[in-house]
Amino acid sequence: AQKITQTQPGMFVQEKEAVTLDCTYDTSDPSYGLFWYKQPSSGEMIFLIYQGSYDQQNATEGRYSLNFQKARKSANLVISASQLGDSAMYFCAMREGVQGGSEKLVFGKGTKLTVNP
Amino acid sequence: GAGVSQTPSNKVTEKGKYVELRCDPISGHTALYWYRQSLGQGPEFLIYFQGTGAADDSGLPNDRFFAVRPEGSVSTLKIQRTERGDSAVYLCASSPYFDGREQYFGPGTRLTVT
Repeated sequence: AQKITQTQPGMFVQEKEAVTLDCTYDTSDPSYGLFWYKQPSSGEMIFLIYQGSYDQQNATEGRYSLNFQKARKSANLVISASQLGDSAMYFCAMREGVQGGSEKLVFGKGTKLTVNP
Repeated sequence: GAGVSQTPSNKVTEKGKYVELRCDPISGHTALYWYRQSLGQGPEFLIYFQGTGAADDSGLPNDRFFAVRPEGSVSTLKIQRTERGDSAVYLCASSPYFDGREQYFGPGTRLTVT
């Protein structure tokens, strides 16, 4: 079974509007971390935001916020005020066993975001 | 400061040949990770080093793949008897944190096996 599911292969948004990229995850571990990365056409993975499973509040980093719904096992990324430079692939990832477990990240298949002028 | 660097950026090799891919992590980062990204997919974990030792090599697909980090800094991913299915972008990441938060990725090495 896939541990990270991103159901939107592609998304389009108008410049200056907000967009939500979906991510659901599957784990039985009570301790885990969720990540979002951006991958522009240059290929480099850029860390955007992190949410720990025990964090009480949703993570925010500038224009990025993570809508964490633990009961639904979803960790959607919200980008506010989209910019043309936001056009890229976006990957959701999970790390299980935050305390003393494996450090590997498991990635979804990604969502290609296109910001239109 | 300098980010994670990987060399070469591109490598074309013939089926059956041996290749080495190098990763220079950010100075002072103790954790180092190798991932492989096939076309249209997310990165797939290969191996994780904490210092000089491989703490988790469960993602290595078979015994043709091997990685070392002898002095706890630079790492080399070695692939023997390459196959066409090994063609992918090999990404390296490093982290200053024991818990792997904020893994900083390099630009990757694009390996093509002909």
